Amino acid sequence: DAMVIQNPRYQVTQFGKPVTLSCSQTLNHNVMYWYQQKSSQAPKLLFHYYDKDFNNEADTPDNFQSRRPNTSFCFLDIRSPGLGDAAMYLCATSPQREGATDTQYFGPGTRLTVL
Amino acid sequence: AQKITQTQPGMFVQEKEAVTLDCTYDTSDQSYGLFWYKQPSSGEMIFLIYQGSYDEQNATEGRYSLNFQKARKSTNLVISASQLGDSAMYFCAMREGGGFKTIFGAGTRLFVKA
Repeated sequence: DAMVIQNPRYQVTQFGKPVTLSCSQTLNHNVMYWYQQKSSQAPKLLFHYYDKDFNNEADTPDNFQSRRPNTSFCFLDIRSPGLGDAAMYLCATSPQREGATDTQYFGPGTRLTVL
Repeated sequence: AQKITQTQPGMFVQEKEAVTLDCTYDTSDQSYGLFWYKQPSSGEMIFLIYQGSYDEQNATEGRYSLNFQKARKSTNLVISASQLGDSAMYFCAMREGGGFKTIFGAGTRLFVKA
């Protein structure tokens, strides 16, 4: 089945130790997104890739970076995780047709714990 | 600016009964899409149903339907014949036509009682 896959599902890191979360998709969608969702809050968009074009939200901290080496994969790098970065990180994809409002499909998320 | 408002932090419903989750939105765009997602305790965001701003009919998808009132800028989700597995957080969301950013409401936690 076509889907969005995130690995790992649970990640524990130490304060200040770089961590990378991965997302892959078999939907062949041209847009991939990363969201941060803290406990009992709505997801917050960090950035998205439209094909190879990277688009950062204005309030995304510099500590968060992303890479998209090909259509299928997208990575979220947290350079120096702080305690406040503990959250669920959700990857999503959408086909993004011109002028249309396409549905985003989410992966299962990676729950990040910072010790 | 876009805004999504869900005013019910928590709702209770008896199993097999219907429940309505409220959502209002604000946008100056004529073209936009409205979405509802379900998030169980496992954390995955599951897409439920979509309503386009130009759609004249209310969207339906199995037990899920939308009461879309464009003039009032509201899109309430109706879940019929509630099941225990419907217990989850429900998010209303909106994206303006051709845009990339989806705005989510604060969510409503639904509890289905046996």
